[in-house]
Amino acid sequence: QSALTQSASVSGSPGQSIIISCSGDGSNVGGYNLVSWYQQHPGKAPKLLIYEENKRPSGVSNRFSGSKSGNTASLTISGLQTEDEADYYCCSYAGGGTYVFGSGTKVTVL
Amino acid sequence: QVQLVQSGAEVKKPGASVKVSCKASGFTLTNYGIKWIRQAPGQGLEWMGWISGHNPHYTQKFQGRVTMTTDASANTAYLELRSLTYDDTAVYYCARDREAGYGSSWYPWGQGTLVSVSS
Repeated sequence: QSALTQSASVSGSPGQSIIISCSGDGSNVGGYNLVSWYQQHPGKAPKLLIYEENKRPSGVSNRFSGSKSGNTASLTISGLQTEDEADYYCCSYAGGGTYVFGSGTKVTVL
Repeated sequence: QVQLVQSGAEVKKPGASVKVSCKASGFTLTNYGIKWIRQAPGQGLEWMGWISGHNPHYTQKFQGRVTMTTDASANTAYLELRSLTYDDTAVYYCARDREAGYGSSWYPWGQGTLVSVSS
């Protein structure tokens, strides 16, 4: 199972909004409503930001939102802040009890 | 406090085996699925498989080389990887299903265990 496709890097200025995309196919992203997003700061474990495409766990800022159209899922970060500088990974159920991660996107706050 | 605490870093020679532990606190580990994910240096996340109770599910890439187990009395999950190669050098993470019965997203995660394969 190949990794889902994400842009290698996205950047924005504080206060701006950015969108990170995650492209798959009908056997993963497009076939299930089970995309999640994780934020990872250097040297730290990933942190769950979004589950089931657009749901936020308790404690996650509402500046993070998720959506999906066809085989592409997206994570929007609104009101970009310096602490948002991190790597972001999407993950999708891929059938048969398996999951596949995206290739990761590095977010830089200018 | 719900958390997962993993064992310390390991250095192994090629061909050896490694066993990483993941101790749960604040919840009963066997009531949740536990996922194992690894990350090679400078690389992305790679899903390895999961265990629910005593039932493991391995991704095809690691079939025959990996064993995932749980010890209910110790509230601990284990990942054993055999026949190590240099490509197995990575940080290995365990992660709990966000909610019992909902296995598609994971929180919390362990702090990670660095396994280095070196001659």
